[in-house]
Amino acid sequence: GQNIDQPTEMTATEGAIVQINCTYQTSGFNGLFWYQQHAGEAPTFLSYNVLDGLEEKGRFSSFLSRSKGYSYLLLKELQMKDSASYLCAVLDSNYQLIWGAGTKLIIKP
Amino acid sequence: DVKVTQSSRYLVKRTGEKVFLECVQDMDHENMFWYRQDPGLGLRLIYFSYDVKMKEKGDIPEGYSVSREKKERFSLILESASTNQTSMYLCASSRGQGDTGELFFGEGSRLTVL
Repeated sequence: GQNIDQPTEMTATEGAIVQINCTYQTSGFNGLFWYQQHAGEAPTFLSYNVLDGLEEKGRFSSFLSRSKGYSYLLLKELQMKDSASYLCAVLDSNYQLIWGAGTKLIIKP
Repeated sequence: DVKVTQSSRYLVKRTGEKVFLECVQDMDHENMFWYRQDPGLGLRLIYFSYDVKMKEKGDIPEGYSVSREKKERFSLILESASTNQTSMYLCASSRGQGDTGELFFGEGSRLTVL
């Protein structure tokens, strides 16, 4: 079967750095996505990785290792507004998105 | 600004009632999707459509049907609502073939079936 694993919940301190991991086992791979979802709101696109390595976008970076079936989302200089759920999703060989259950990130002052 | 609009944010229905959830996008996107989101589970795909009048079953189509008569509108229908269909329903769209990963979501419709 297809599977995406990510931690259920993480806590971090304002101003710090946090890394949210995602491991996947899917039938084929056509890219990995990270989405942010604030409570009661729609998910919004954060990043896309299809090749190995690090993609940086401001305070957020996303890393991919296809050989390990592993990705992480790195958030730097955490702000209170970063409190949200972070969803990892993989585009499989049929170009269907397989979703993880999401990681709820709690930021404390 | 890109916008996906879902008709109702909150609905309460009774078991056996017919439920319509409407979704409209203003971005001229080819692809539209209906997901449900439940605590502890990833988003689960109910139905999707790559073109007008076209529909494909997702992972959990049972108990649902869809309609896409116009490019901008994708409706989800629960013919006879049941309590296990209590959930958050999310509509999404994306540009076209080969671009199915970057989705634009609506705000969601939280359905409670009593």
